[in-house]
Amino acid sequence: LAKTTQPISMDSYEGQEVNITCSHNNIATNDYITWYQQFPSQGPRFIIQGYKTKVTNEVASLFIPADRKSSTLSLPRVSLSDTAVYYCLVVLNNAGNMLTFGGGTRLMVKP
Amino acid sequence: NAGVMQNPRHLVRRRGQEARLRCSPMKGHSHVYWYRQLPEEGLKFMVYLQKENIIDESGMPKERFSAEFPKEGPSILRIQQVVRGDSAAYFCASSGDRGAEQYFGPGTRLTVT
Repeated sequence: LAKTTQPISMDSYEGQEVNITCSHNNIATNDYITWYQQFPSQGPRFIIQGYKTKVTNEVASLFIPADRKSSTLSLPRVSLSDTAVYYCLVVLNNAGNMLTFGGGTRLMVKP
Repeated sequence: NAGVMQNPRHLVRRRGQEARLRCSPMKGHSHVYWYRQLPEEGLKFMVYLQKENIIDESGMPKERFSAEFPKEGPSILRIQQVVRGDSAAYFCASSGDRGAEQYFGPGTRLTVT
């Protein structure tokens, strides 16, 4: 399983764009990059998944360079309610059963 | 459509007692996964079940822990003779197919005194 590395914590202010970068140097050909969000005392919630280039949904964008050795989760105009832990995962699509969570990035959004 | 449900939300047990954690997957989902989360850490995979079958239990301790997902009723994670180190949040997730997106429940917080 490809190991992921991401910053332990980040601070931001309301209204700013937040970019969280994740390294996954030994990602395999069939692996996808997936991001989850976890609020205190809740289970993780799927945010976005991608294979290469750029993926965008109503919540976030995911940028993946051609070599796929890293990815960046972009949260536009964060609010206080975006304060959470964000996990970057590398998953084997259509065959994976276990999700491997690292330590995640604790994002603190300040007023 | 109700999400993944777990109960109890909080469970306190004394050392040596048994803990039974229940998980009802989302409607239509037949794949259930259990994870454990220690304070300030990420979730760690324990076991993956598909109706009446254990598919992968590579993350589950060999002793005192067991899991089942009967044909009828919720999935059960059972911890026998609990110790203080078992104190953690236990999350259940379900999916509609193998490898599909997993939806997580709110977790059960187990405290062993």
